[in-house]
Amino acid sequence: QKEVEQNSGPLSVPEGAIASLNCTYSDRVSQSFFWYRQYSGKSPELIMSIYSNGDKEDGRFTAQLNKASQYVSLLIRDSQPSDSATYLCAVIRGGGYQKVTFGTGTKLQVIP
Amino acid sequence: GAVVSQHPSRVICKSGTSVKIECRSLDFQATTMFWYRQFPKQSLMLMATSNEGSKATYEQGVEKDKFLINHASLTLSTLTVTSAHPEDSSFYICSARLGGYSYEQYFGPGTRLTVT
Repeated sequence: QKEVEQNSGPLSVPEGAIASLNCTYSDRVSQSFFWYRQYSGKSPELIMSIYSNGDKEDGRFTAQLNKASQYVSLLIRDSQPSDSATYLCAVIRGGGYQKVTFGTGTKLQVIP
Repeated sequence: GAVVSQHPSRVICKSGTSVKIECRSLDFQATTMFWYRQFPKQSLMLMATSNEGSKATYEQGVEKDKFLINHASLTLSTLTVTSAHPEDSSFYICSARLGGYSYEQYFGPGTRLTVT
C-alpha cells in the first residue's frame, strides 16, 4: 500500500464545473496535509494546507480533511482552463518529523 | 512572501564534470531545506533533507558522496552533483520550510540538468 495515494487521472471537467480531487493516506498519525499544483515542466506551487478535520476555503479552492477515514480532498469551483495541471497531495507525520510524502499526483484537464 | 530561488535554471554539462545548484530563501530564514529530483512524467523523489549547520540526511538509495549538500546559512543550500553521468539528467528542485510551527514547504523553480 502506498503511503499517499491519488488517482493519476486525467480528470476531465468542463469549464465552470467543480473539480474534485481525492487523496488517501496510510499513516494514521499524519497531522499536516497539503495540496500543490504543478504545471508541466515547472516546480510545485503550494495551494492549500489543512491541519484539522473539516473544510478550509480559500477563494475557489476548498480543502477537506477527514482523519478518521484518512482522506483529504481538494475542490476547485468554477474550474478554468488555467487550472489544468497536476495536483499533488502531500502529507507530513508531524511531531518534529519533517519528511513530506507526496502522492503521484492527479492530472486535471479543464475543457473550455 | 516565502520566495525560493534556484540557480541555474538550466545547465548542460559533460559527463564526468561536477555541477553546483544553489537554492536560496529570499524573504525568510529556512532552517530546513529539501532537495528533490523529478524524472519526466514521474513524481517528486526526495533526495535529502538539509538542516542549517549540520549534515544532510539522505534518503535510501541516494549516494551522499555523489550528491553533496551544504547548508551553510539560513538562506542558502547547495547541491553538487559530482562526476555527473547522463542518467543524472533530471529536474532538480529544492524547497524550504518556513520553520517554527509551520510545516509548509515552498519550492524553488527547479534546475533542469542535462548531462551529455
